[in-house]
Amino acid sequence: SQQGEEDPQALSIQEGENATMNCSYKTSINNLQWYRQNSGRGLVHLILIRSNEREKHSGRLRVTLDTSKKSSSLLITASRAADTASYFCASLYFGNEKLTFGTGTRLTIIP
Amino acid sequence: KAGVTQTPRYLIKTRGQQVTLSCSPISGHRSVSWYQQTPGQGLQFLFEYFSETQRNKGNFPGRFSGRQFSNSRSEMNVSTLELGDSALYLCASSLEAVRYGYTFGSGTRLTVV
Repeated sequence: SQQGEEDPQALSIQEGENATMNCSYKTSINNLQWYRQNSGRGLVHLILIRSNEREKHSGRLRVTLDTSKKSSSLLITASRAADTASYFCASLYFGNEKLTFGTGTRLTIIP
Repeated sequence: KAGVTQTPRYLIKTRGQQVTLSCSPISGHRSVSWYQQTPGQGLQFLFEYFSETQRNKGNFPGRFSGRQFSNSRSEMNVSTLELGDSALYLCASSLEAVRYGYTFGSGTRLTVV
């Protein structure tokens, strides 16, 4: 299976703190995407980083990509209660037109 | 603009029955993909349709099938339901290809009893 791994599986932090979650993938990617899922609903696309990019920002989100380690991280700064959700990384491998999702990180923000 | 619409939201079926799920993509989006989400297996790719043709297929048995209509709406069908088919089925659309990112629907929660 090409399914990537995410860690931690679960993370609880106080509101206002930063949250970091990590993702590893298997082989060369075209791009890597991060999604958020609120409690059993659909996924929301957050940010996409291409294989030739090392860092990308979108609002309070910062994504990094290390192709030598086949890993990515998502940082959410100044967390809010509304950030409570599951976060998934998804890899688009070369030669493939489907996303392979990681196992997800369950983030809980404590007010 | 309207998002991706999936119907129905919830469904309860009996083992051995068949089920059809529907997905209306964002207007102008030509690619529609389907995923199955379960606690044990996570998000698993079922198939992708583009301009009424199946372009990609995951590793699911032939009981799982789909189609896409000329207006890009898509349906997936599961025949001879098994208990293990209980899952959240998610539809996602994109303009041309997944390399630009998906927009997901809210999903159909299927329970097989």
